[in-house]
Amino acid sequence: SQTIHQWPATLVQPVGSPLSLECTVEGTSNPNLYWYRQAAGRGLQLLFYSVGIGQISSEVPQNLSASRPQDRQFILSSKKLLLSDSGFYLCAGQTVHEQYFGPGTRLTVT
Amino acid sequence: QQQVKQSPQSLIVQKGGISIINCAYENTAFDYFPWYQQFPGKGPALLIAIRPDVSEKKEGRFTISFNKSAKQFSLHIMDSQPGDSATYFCAATFQWGSVNSGYSTLTFGKGTMLLVSP
Repeated sequence: SQTIHQWPATLVQPVGSPLSLECTVEGTSNPNLYWYRQAAGRGLQLLFYSVGIGQISSEVPQNLSASRPQDRQFILSSKKLLLSDSGFYLCAGQTVHEQYFGPGTRLTVT
Repeated sequence: QQQVKQSPQSLIVQKGGISIINCAYENTAFDYFPWYQQFPGKGPALLIAIRPDVSEKKEGRFTISFNKSAKQFSLHIMDSQPGDSATYFCAATFQWGSVNSGYSTLTFGKGTMLLVSP
């Protein structure tokens, strides 16, 4: 089975600052990778997915971008954070139908 | 429309009782229905999943019941324990492309916060 690593675990950033969240996967090769955001306490919103190196699809227009420089690395970025970017960010990897989630990054934009 | 409706939003059950969470979907192309359990500050963990050709699946105290004609499925937690207190998400998915090279879009319900009182 695959293991999803995310860092940092928590992050406090001022409005207008850049962002880089990293996700790495072990235990599988060429995984499909996903970035989700979870608003305070509740549902998961799919932000980006990637089926391979350099292949990124966006689900919703936003202030964020994603990149996949290596097979098992998925990065979520922003050039200038907004207050509305605060949330719990989750990376997931796919094995056939199942998606397995990482531990998440709690981002607070102040 | 790819929507999954989950109810109730929150649920309080006494220890030893049965917790029941319901979900309904619209898209008949969905072919896999997982449930996730999430503890505060943690990522969701896959709990149990079912395919539409099966009406029930049981793993320990957790059972999924699936009604294909009604487009509904539910999670039953038997003998609920305080350690089961968490947020539960149902989801539905279908596979794009081939099994080995496609990707699956997970559509989540909005979650149910379960509290099992001691």
